[in-house]
Amino acid sequence: AQSVTQLDSQVPVFEEAPVELRCNYSSSVSVYLFWYVQYPNQGLQLLLKYLSGSTLVESINGFEAEFNKSQTSFHLRKPSVHISDTAEYFCAVSEGRGTASKLTFGTGTRLQVTL
Amino acid sequence: GAGVSQTPSNKVTEKGKYVELRCDPISGHTALYWYRQSLGQGPEFLIYFQGTGAADDSGLPNDRFFAVRPEGSVSTLKIQRTERGDSAVYLCASSPQGATEAFFGQGTRLTVV
Repeated sequence: AQSVTQLDSQVPVFEEAPVELRCNYSSSVSVYLFWYVQYPNQGLQLLLKYLSGSTLVESINGFEAEFNKSQTSFHLRKPSVHISDTAEYFCAVSEGRGTASKLTFGTGTRLQVTL
Repeated sequence: GAGVSQTPSNKVTEKGKYVELRCDPISGHTALYWYRQSLGQGPEFLIYFQGTGAADDSGLPNDRFFAVRPEGSVSTLKIQRTERGDSAVYLCASSPQGATEAFFGQGTRLTVV
């Protein structure tokens, strides 16, 4: 069985400040790791993913996440946030077996960016 | 192209009634997933189809929940004798053969009163 823990339910931050959203997972098998974002009144969108290879992965809008196998973590970071980054962020894990499989999600972190 | 489409977007039903929720996956996607997202929680897996068959239905909470995908495209999630605890957003996702990620629809918000 797999599980995902997002310890921070809400993260308030000022615009242009850095942010880190924490994610820890547990699994007895190799995994793929994902961050999904849900903007207000919209569906879940894939932000970035780790499958294999380089442990640092980046999104097109400036977010990055680093896979740390020893700490079983996949924290999401951005050096300077924008108001438009306000959303709910979900960390998820699936079995790393080459194709899409069911996802196990964390409970989400609400990022609130203010001026 | 069009994304995953779910209908209706909102459904209010009375306790004890039967409901059907529809999912139109992205054309050509072979895998289809249903998830349920309760208030303040992350999505929870319900069932996964590969083609027409349910490859994994381990997330269905009880026998009141059933899903079909008769032609390997559109899927319907069916809930019998609805209970107030069934109130949630039901999400559908699909993925193409060989892909490692799923694409989500906007969900159906089910409210049981």
